[in-house]
Amino acid sequence: GAVVSQHPSRVICKSGTSVKIECRSLDFQATTMFWYRQFPKKSLMLMATSNEGSKATYEQGVEKDKFLINHASLTLSTLTVTSAHPEDSSFYICSARAGEPYEQYFGPGTRLTVT
Amino acid sequence: DQQVKQNSPSLSVQEGRISILNCDYTNSMFDYFLWYKKYPAEGPTFLISISSIKDKNEDGRFTVFLNKSAKHLSLHIVPSQPGDSAVYFCAASRYSGAGSYQLTFGKGTKLSVIP
Repeated sequence: GAVVSQHPSRVICKSGTSVKIECRSLDFQATTMFWYRQFPKKSLMLMATSNEGSKATYEQGVEKDKFLINHASLTLSTLTVTSAHPEDSSFYICSARAGEPYEQYFGPGTRLTVT
Repeated sequence: DQQVKQNSPSLSVQEGRISILNCDYTNSMFDYFLWYKKYPAEGPTFLISISSIKDKNEDGRFTVFLNKSAKHLSLHIVPSQPGDSAVYFCAASRYSGAGSYQLTFGKGTKLSVIP
């Protein structure tokens, strides 16, 4: 149980375009989903917390107009990187809370490369 | 400010021996601690956790020890197996309001188990 999927697993886009990443909880309902970003040799950095049906809460320094998060249902959250630039290239990982308040289950991640 | 620190970026251990991964934290508001295992280009996988009211939790070959006074926890893997080779992240959880708990991650320790 507690499986989280992400799509796509890898995406390459041109600078200036927008990219949408989907995060789905496959076998449970997730009232809360989280979006992280990981730079090479760095820890996972929380970008935002997404609660179903309400606006996402962004961490300090994360541009909410650039990283649009939608959590329209209990099993789906999306992250849209708008007007992507090469510095947005990174590994984006989502997680979902399943029952236990402390534990999060992670998706496999999405490697974004902006050329 | 790194609230969760894993000071050893890498660790090599012989197969069959014990692996000890260390983690220190600074925020006394953390009340739950987790260890995640991560392979390259994949999302983290939950391994084991411990509540701040306990000092030890064991699950098979994995044991986590917590020393609250020292703000230190460690993960012991015994016996170590080649399949344990991965990056291990220490994470600490705290209540962040509105029913949500946030995770703060360390930078990870890359464990290599040598056959």
